[in-house]
Amino acid sequence: DARVTQTPRHKVTEMGQEVTMRCQPILGHNTVFWYRQTMMQGLELLAYFRNRAPLDDSGMPKDRFSAEMPDATLATLKIQPSEPRDSAVYFCASGLGDTKGGTQYFGPGTRLLVL
Amino acid sequence: GDSVTQMEGPVTLSEEAFLTINCTYTATGYPSLFWYVQYPGEGLQLLLKATKADDKGSNKGFEATYRKETTSFHLEKGSVQVSDSAVYFCALSGSEKLVFGKGTKLTVNP
Repeated sequence: DARVTQTPRHKVTEMGQEVTMRCQPILGHNTVFWYRQTMMQGLELLAYFRNRAPLDDSGMPKDRFSAEMPDATLATLKIQPSEPRDSAVYFCASGLGDTKGGTQYFGPGTRLLVL
Repeated sequence: GDSVTQMEGPVTLSEEAFLTINCTYTATGYPSLFWYVQYPGEGLQLLLKATKADDKGSNKGFEATYRKETTSFHLEKGSVQVSDSAVYFCALSGSEKLVFGKGTKLTVNP
């Protein structure tokens, strides 16, 4: 049963520290999405990639967030420096990149707490 | 832009009750429509989807019909179980990206 995996599952850090979250998409999927979920804002799309190329990162605070796909099996989301308002659950999802109607498969999320 | 509006929760029901969660959308063109479910501490999972008008998506006793004339995709289940307690998200896609509603938390009591 293929699944999206994310590490770490939980992260507690202090303000100003760098945070790196990792995602392994389902093998064969060519599209990867990063979302942030908070009680106040709900689910927000931060960025997404197709075939490892960034297509849209307009949802990301550019000054502190960066997203990359070093290879087809790894996507990373970095926050530097982290701030308390970054506390949230970060989800990675992957899919086959259908123009519409394609299912996105979500990972279990990284729960981040910035003190 | 595209948007999804779903009924605010929380919704609390007794086991075996009938469930309806309303969802309406605004979109250009003909999007695909989805219901995702999120169980506590987990990521979202696809529950069902419909890709064109009048299609009915169904899974695990849940159903939703794509109604173009009312721009709606209401989720229904005839008899809910305690294990259905979760947050339900309506979503649409006119492209690769999904646009989500804010989610409706359902609690089913024994």
